[in-house]
Amino acid sequence: AQSVAQPEDQVNVAEGNPLTVKCTYSVSGNPYLFWYVQYPNRGLQFLLKYITGDNLVKGSYGFEAEFNKSQTSFHLKKPSALVSDSALYFCAVRGTGGGNKLTFGTGTQLKVEL
Amino acid sequence: GAVVSQHPSWVICKSGTSVKIECRSLDFQATTMFWYRQFPKQSLMLMATSNEGSKATYEQGVEKDKFLINHASLTLSTLTVTSAHPEDSSFYICSAWQGSSYNEQFFGPGTRLTVL
Repeated sequence: AQSVAQPEDQVNVAEGNPLTVKCTYSVSGNPYLFWYVQYPNRGLQFLLKYITGDNLVKGSYGFEAEFNKSQTSFHLKKPSALVSDSALYFCAVRGTGGGNKLTFGTGTQLKVEL
Repeated sequence: GAVVSQHPSWVICKSGTSVKIECRSLDFQATTMFWYRQFPKQSLMLMATSNEGSKATYEQGVEKDKFLINHASLTLSTLTVTSAHPEDSSFYICSAWQGSSYNEQFFGPGTRLTVL
């Protein structure tokens, strides 16, 4: 069975500071990893994905994520946070042997303050 | 990115009535559509997977006779909540997938269902 852990329910960061939202995964086979963002009462917006290739993946709105196979992690990062980045962030995984289902983490609420 | 729409965005209904939610992929053909349910401050719970022209596959614990899913075309899937009760009140989100493992799922904006 595949699983995703987001150990932090909430992350607080000051605007202009770097941010990290943590994600670790467990999956059989090679992982396909995704980050989505959700604003209140809205669906999920795709940010970035890791399929293969470079471990550092760049995505929308200045976000990036680093795939670390040995640590089974896929942390989301941004060099300089904006207040408008405040939202709920979900990490998700799909295994190569696990069909087409995505498994989501429990989500991390990011709060960026002035 | 690809666009997925949902209609309605919110609905309030009386207990015992049925409610239909539509999910459309606007600019691509979706081999598969997924239906999720999300409770406040919680993650998404997959309810079912639907492939065009075939019966939906429901996750364990999801009543298929209560949550009817139809996927009549490559751009439209519908979820009908039959004989709705207050405990069915939730945020329902659909996603569409083009079928390659390299592709992400694209999500609709969600439908807020409130059953009185």
